[in-house]
Amino acid sequence: QQPVQSPQAVILREGEDAVINCSSSKALYSVHWYRQKHGEAPVFLMILLKGGEQKGHDKISASFNEKKQQSSLYLTASQLSYSGTYFCGTENYGGSQGNLIFGKGTKLSVKP
Amino acid sequence: KAGVTQTPRYLIKTRGQQVTLSCSPISGHRSVSWYQQTPGQGLQFLFEYFSETQRNKGNFPGRFSGRQFSNSRSEMNVSTLELGDSALYLCASSVGQVNTEAFFGQGTRLTVV
Repeated sequence: QQPVQSPQAVILREGEDAVINCSSSKALYSVHWYRQKHGEAPVFLMILLKGGEQKGHDKISASFNEKKQQSSLYLTASQLSYSGTYFCGTENYGGSQGNLIFGKGTKLSVKP
Repeated sequence: KAGVTQTPRYLIKTRGQQVTLSCSPISGHRSVSWYQQTPGQGLQFLFEYFSETQRNKGNFPGRFSGRQFSNSRSEMNVSTLELGDSALYLCASSVGQVNTEAFFGQGTRLTVV
C-alpha cells in the first residue's frame, strides 16, 4: 500500500520552515526518508524505527507516530540546498523484509 | 568505495522489443531493489533480490523480470516493450538487513518509441 505524502509541492523562501507528512493506511514498521535533486539519484536522509522516535540531521528532523501510522519531516530555516523532491518509504508489519514502498514525493523549492 | 553503477544510462527502444538493464551494487551489499520512476507515480517498487533469490515483488506485469548473480550484480528485463514503459529505472543496494539504508544508482532512462 503506497503511503500518501502531503503536500505535493511547497515553495519556500530561504530561512522558512516546512513540514512534509507521510501517512499509511497500514500499520508501519519503519519509515525511511530520501531526498532526490533534479537529475540525481535519491539520497538517504534517515530511518525511523519505532513509534515516538525522533531524529535530527543538521536542521532536518523527523518524527514517527506509530499509532497514527504517520511520519513527518521537519525542515527548519531552509537553505537553497534543501530544494528537491522528498520521498518517504515505508515498511509495513507483515510485509517482507526489503519491501520498501515509496510515496509519490513532495517537491520542495527554496527561493532566495 | 564505489557506488551503485547502472548501465546503460540511456536507452531508446521500439515498441515490442525487449531490454535488459544492469545494476552493480556496492561491494558487500547483498540486496538489490529495482524501482520505476515516472513523473506522476513517483518510485514504484518492482522487485527485490537477496542472495540470488527474489524476496519481494511489486505489482507489475510478468513482462518485467529480474535476476541476481552470485556476485550480487542484478539485471532486470522487460519484454514486449510498451510506450508506457518509458521511465527512469533505478536500482538500490543495501546490506540486506531490515531497516538499513539503501543506496541508489543514477538510473537508466528508458524511452520507448
